[in-house]
Amino acid sequence: RKEVEQDPGPFNVPEGATVAFNCTYSNSASQSFFWYRQDCRKEPKLLMSVYSSGNEDGRFTAQLNRASQYISLLIRDSKLSDSATYLCVVNTEDSNYQLIWGAGTKLIIKP
Amino acid sequence: ETGVTQTPRHLVMGMTNKKSLKCEQHLGHNAMYWYKQSAKKPLELMFVYSLEERVENNSVPSRFSPECPNSSHLFLHLHTLQPEDSALYLCASSQLGASSYNEQFFGPGTRLTVL
Repeated sequence: RKEVEQDPGPFNVPEGATVAFNCTYSNSASQSFFWYRQDCRKEPKLLMSVYSSGNEDGRFTAQLNRASQYISLLIRDSKLSDSATYLCVVNTEDSNYQLIWGAGTKLIIKP
Repeated sequence: ETGVTQTPRHLVMGMTNKKSLKCEQHLGHNAMYWYKQSAKKPLELMFVYSLEERVENNSVPSRFSPECPNSSHLFLHLHTLQPEDSALYLCASSQLGASSYNEQFFGPGTRLTVL
């Protein structure tokens, strides 16, 4: 089993729709979780950290489910500019330095 | 300049060449990282420096050699690379502290092609 697993997609979603995707992680002792977005041929950019109580930033909502070991990202009222690859990132138990990266979920918003 | 910068943005080199990648962070962070990103694969951590000391080396081949002269600058020296080393090389920085949240910020990357 991969340490961090994501559906690669692509998710093809009409503009204005709501889209959600999950990411599962294997290490139950993981402490910190993130969503990054990466545009084609660009660097990853931090979208949001994911806290135990869940958190929201505008149209984006992140949730953590420790019992089932997954995090989720919900995007409401999707925009064309939301088209990107979304990377799920989890820290390791052993080291605060080392983050384990998922391979990403590709999202395409269609007009 | 702000954030994390990297030079060059693109590099083509032969297997016998020696080149260096440069990274500079303007965020006042105390840790810097080199990652490799190959097509359709997750980011692979290559090296971590915290307070200019290397804290992790994830069994990267010796043809990659990092250097961190101070907390703002990081280099990756390349020699006798192989074609499979062609990838996007990303530099990142973060502020490590008591919190377990290690939010990393990335430079634009160097797209490396080895012929």
